[in-house]
Amino acid sequence: DAGVTQSPTHLIKTRGQQVTLRCSPKSGHDTVSWYQQALGQGPQFIFQYYEEEERQRGNFPDRFSGHQFPNYSSELNVNALLLGDSALYLCASSLTGWAGTEAFFGQGTRLTVV
Amino acid sequence: AQKVTQAQTEISVVEKEDVTLDCVYETRDTTYYLFWYKQPPSGELVFLIRRNSFDEQNEISGRYSWNFQKSTSSFNFTITASQVVDSAVYFCALSEQRYSSASKIIFGSGTRLSIRP
Repeated sequence: DAGVTQSPTHLIKTRGQQVTLRCSPKSGHDTVSWYQQALGQGPQFIFQYYEEEERQRGNFPDRFSGHQFPNYSSELNVNALLLGDSALYLCASSLTGWAGTEAFFGQGTRLTVV
Repeated sequence: AQKVTQAQTEISVVEKEDVTLDCVYETRDTTYYLFWYKQPPSGELVFLIRRNSFDEQNEISGRYSWNFQKSTSSFNFTITASQVVDSAVYFCALSEQRYSSASKIIFGSGTRLSIRP
C-alpha cells in the first residue's frame, strides 16, 4: 500500500515565477493538508482540502492556492515566488469522519527560489 | 490561540542513555489532540503517537513512553536505552478536535536529538 507520494522531490525556481506541487494521498484517505517547513523550523499549516473544497486555511497569502481532484489528489500552487518561499513543502493525508485517522505525511518537495 | 513550545532545541546523549523531550502546549479548547512526530534526514514526518485530551493515561510502546499531564499542559516523550537510529528531529504537535482528527496541526519548533555511539 503506497503511502503519501509527492512530486517533484526537488525544484529550483526563479523569483516571480509560479510553481505547482503535487500530492497523492494514502489509499483510502479523502483529506489533504499542505504544510510549509522552513529550515530549522516546525511545519506551518497552509490549508486543507476535503470534498474538493478548501476547508481550513492558515495564515498564508493568496499567492498560495490549491486544488483537490475527484480522486482526492491535490495540487499546491504558489504564484509570484519570493526568496522566502524556499522551504520543504509537506503534504499530509487523512480520513475525515467518525473513524478519522491521524495525518500521514509524504517526504515533501524541497523548493528553492533563487 | 494554540501554541506548542519545545524549549530544548538540541539534545545529545550517548547511546543507551535515557532521554526525555519536553513539550508544553497552550489551547483554549477543552477537547484536542496531541501528537509526536519523528523527522529523519529524509524529511518525511513519521507519526509516533496521538493522544486525546480526555485520555491522560501514560503510554508505553517498546522503548518509547509518553507522559501527558493536563494540569501542567505538558506532553513529554521519553526514549529509554537510546539507540543511534533514534537520531532525528522530534516534533510535538496539537490539533483541535474537529473533523475527527483531521484538523490542522500546530507544530512546535522541534528538538534535534543526536545519539552518539
